[in-house]
Amino acid sequence: EDQVTQSPEALRLQEGESSSLNCSYTVSGLRGLFWYRQDPGKGPEFLFTLYSAGEEKEKERLKATLTKKESFLHITAPKPEDSATYLCAVQAGGSYIPTFGRGTSLIVHP
Amino acid sequence: NAGVTQTPKFQVLKTGQSMTLQCAQDMNHNSMYWYRQDPGMGLRLIYYSASEGTTDKGEVPNGYNVSRLNKREFSLRLESAAPSQTSVYFCASSEGELFFGEGSRLTVL
Repeated sequence: EDQVTQSPEALRLQEGESSSLNCSYTVSGLRGLFWYRQDPGKGPEFLFTLYSAGEEKEKERLKATLTKKESFLHITAPKPEDSATYLCAVQAGGSYIPTFGRGTSLIVHP
Repeated sequence: NAGVTQTPKFQVLKTGQSMTLQCAQDMNHNSMYWYRQDPGMGLRLIYYSASEGTTDKGEVPNGYNVSRLNKREFSLRLESAAPSQTSVYFCASSEGELFFGEGSRLTVL
């Protein structure tokens, strides 16, 4: 069974304090790994797709990286507006249906 | 662009009542999905539709039915609501990454 595990469950940072969120996966034949951001009371919003080990993508203060077993979402010098839940999802094997992790709740204090 | 639109945004039901959650997308996507999100459980797939005219069960289909009315619309029906179906429901569409609606918050008393 495909497994997607995110850690930590919750993370509190001071503004400007860089850190990383982890998404580890055990799947057969990764087709794509997705990162989403979810604000309270809203639907998840797409951030990045990564397809192969070694791939990296950046958007403002966020950088996503991928290895054969895990992905990291690096947050550089975060601001309070980066506070949200970050979700990871993988597509694998012959299925296009993504499997989601339970998310990391990030709070950035001013 | 509206993207994915869900109605209603909020609903309170009594046990045994029925209701339908509506979802429409304007991105011409083939695939559509219904998820529920509960605290500590993450997003769980209820049903999905790979294309107009097809639907398949996801991880937690019991107590739900779906209809892919056309390429734009995918509805979720609760025939006899139970308190365990109290949740936030999200519709999504995709041709790769998922695009989500704003969610429908359902309480079953």
